Amino acid sequence: ELKVEQNPLFLSMQEGKNYTIYCNYSTTSDRLYWYRQDPGKSLESLFVLLSNGAVKQEGRLMASLDTKARLSTLHITAAVHDLSATYFCAVAQGAQKLVFGQGTRLTINP
Amino acid sequence: SAVISQKPSRDICQRGTSLTIQCQVDSQVTMMFWYRQQPGQSLTLIATANQGSEATYESGFVIDKFPISRPNLTFSTLTVSNMSPEDSSIYLCSGRTGEETQYFGPGTRLLVL
Repeated sequence: ELKVEQNPLFLSMQEGKNYTIYCNYSTTSDRLYWYRQDPGKSLESLFVLLSNGAVKQEGRLMASLDTKARLSTLHITAAVHDLSATYFCAVAQGAQKLVFGQGTRLTINP
Repeated sequence: SAVISQKPSRDICQRGTSLTIQCQVDSQVTMMFWYRQQPGQSLTLIATANQGSEATYESGFVIDKFPISRPNLTFSTLTVSNMSPEDSSIYLCSGRTGEETQYFGPGTRLLVL
């Protein structure tokens, strides 16, 4: 059974700093997703990664995928307060199911 | 991005009753799903909603408890039956497009007393 683990689960950082959230998964998959969730809100799609070596960037966020290592990273550059949220990775199991990580609760302090 | 709407957005229900949640997606969506997010937790897939046939349920979820309908490509309902306080969760409708992006609706926040 596919297991998805994120770390860290909680992250408090200062504005302007860089940091990385890691997403490890246990079995082969061809799709990996990153989502953002603000308190009391639904999930916002950030990135879909479909192949080994895929790298996508949007603003201060960059996601990458290494299917051989079964690892994806979400890198935050020069963090700003507006990026405070919970970030989830989700890995495809078969054609239909997404298995979610536990989520990383990110707090960015001024 | 695909547009997904759900109603109701929230409800407070008495134990033993049932609640039906409706989900409407736009035409970009090819597959529809229902997820549950318990307070402070991650998301778990309940079932895949299949058009015109029975939904495909994940382990731990059964049709008698969570009947699902999808009468056409863009509409689905999830019923939470014979509710107990343990069913208090956020229920999210989700849709996948042909480009493999998967979107989530705003969620239905359910509290069972």
